[in-house]
Amino acid sequence: NAGVTQTPKFQVLKTGQSMTLQCAQDMNHNSMYWYRQDPGMGLRLIYYSASEGTTDKGEVPNGYNVSRLNKREFSLRLESAAPSQTSVYFCASSERRQGNGYTFGSGTRLTVV
Amino acid sequence: QQQVKQSPQSLIVQKGGISIINCAYENTAFDYFPWYQQFPGKGPALLIAIRPDVSEKKEGRFTISFNKSAKQFSLHIMDSQPGDSATYFCAASKNGGFKTIFGAGTRLFVKA
Repeated sequence: NAGVTQTPKFQVLKTGQSMTLQCAQDMNHNSMYWYRQDPGMGLRLIYYSASEGTTDKGEVPNGYNVSRLNKREFSLRLESAAPSQTSVYFCASSERRQGNGYTFGSGTRLTVV
Repeated sequence: QQQVKQSPQSLIVQKGGISIINCAYENTAFDYFPWYQQFPGKGPALLIAIRPDVSEKKEGRFTISFNKSAKQFSLHIMDSQPGDSATYFCAASKNGGFKTIFGAGTRLFVKA
């Protein structure tokens, strides 16, 4: 079982460039999430998808867009990258809401120069 | 009111000792309190979780103590081992909802 798979693992962008972070889960989970992790700030929710066909903003959505492509896949797009978006991005999924906790991917380390 | 405050920021414990990490919350609507363990270069992994209807939950060497009146909960790692060296996050969510709030994390180092 692969669990939650994120691509790419590392990326360097120039300010103003765009990119899409990909996430796929094979656990048939309904809900999926994107978090960013910054030193001393824990994990902060960017967007989530409660179920296929729905998406909602989290705590820090500005500068990001998401797409729930199907039940398995949830992508995060940076339209015009800024240095403040340098971070480690984690995708997670859960079976129903989060009563059983989240399963996280291994992360994408993004640097914007 | 949505914050979860975690302390200490870092912790050094001798092998065989007890590691204690504390968290405090403000929102009394929170009803699910998980702890996650994260190794370098990996994503967080669910370690143990508790709901406010119990005051303690134990799984192996890991115990959550929950004090509803004080709005505090803590993780105790008994007989700490070098393999426990990792970053630990407490978290909270309400009504089975989708917006889990994480603490800032504690970096634990267990000296051999």
